[in-house]
Amino acid sequence: QKEVEQNSGPLSVPEGAIASLNCTYSDRVSQSFFWYRQYSGKSPELIMSIYSNGDKEDGRFTAQLNKASQYVSLLIRDSQPSDSATYLCAVNRSGGYQKVTFGTGTKLQVIP
Amino acid sequence: DTAVSQTPKYLVTQMGNDKSIKCEQNLGHDTMYWYKQDSKKFLKIMFSYNNKELIINETVPNRFSPKSPDKAHLNLHINSLELGDSAVYFCASSQEANPRETQYFGPGTRLLVL
Repeated sequence: QKEVEQNSGPLSVPEGAIASLNCTYSDRVSQSFFWYRQYSGKSPELIMSIYSNGDKEDGRFTAQLNKASQYVSLLIRDSQPSDSATYLCAVNRSGGYQKVTFGTGTKLQVIP
Repeated sequence: DTAVSQTPKYLVTQMGNDKSIKCEQNLGHDTMYWYKQDSKKFLKIMFSYNNKELIINETVPNRFSPKSPDKAHLNLHINSLELGDSAVYFCASSQEANPRETQYFGPGTRLLVL
């Protein structure tokens, strides 16, 4: 089992719709969860971070965390063509130094 | 001003050569990282330095040797390059070596070994 699993996609949604990106992780002691966006040929950039169970909202983005189910998701409301990118889920263990484990990413395509 | 910069951006070289990639951050961060992103876009950590001290050393061939002359710089030297080393190498930095810290990535160095 991979440490961090994501559906590779592509996930295609029409402009204005809600895009839902999912991620599961295997390490129960994980405490920090991140969503990075990576445009083609560019470097990853942080979109959201979440540490506690529940929802965290930032503009059009909502991160959801369920530690019991070892599941984290990212919702993008009112999807725009500029949201088309690969979204990387990243997970960090509790304690010690930061050793982030990334998923393979989900490619999102927002269709105008 | 570029927060995390890498040189070169592109590197094309022959098998067996030795090459170096340089990284600099002007964010005043204590911690720096090297990641490798393969052709399938899988991003995997290689090394991490905190205040010039190596703190993460993943299962990476001995041909890869990082070096941090100061907190703002982290270089990666690769000996005897192999075809499988072809990838994008990203440098990143964070304020501290803390599990909740945001990592800021450089633009990447695209290495192609022929």
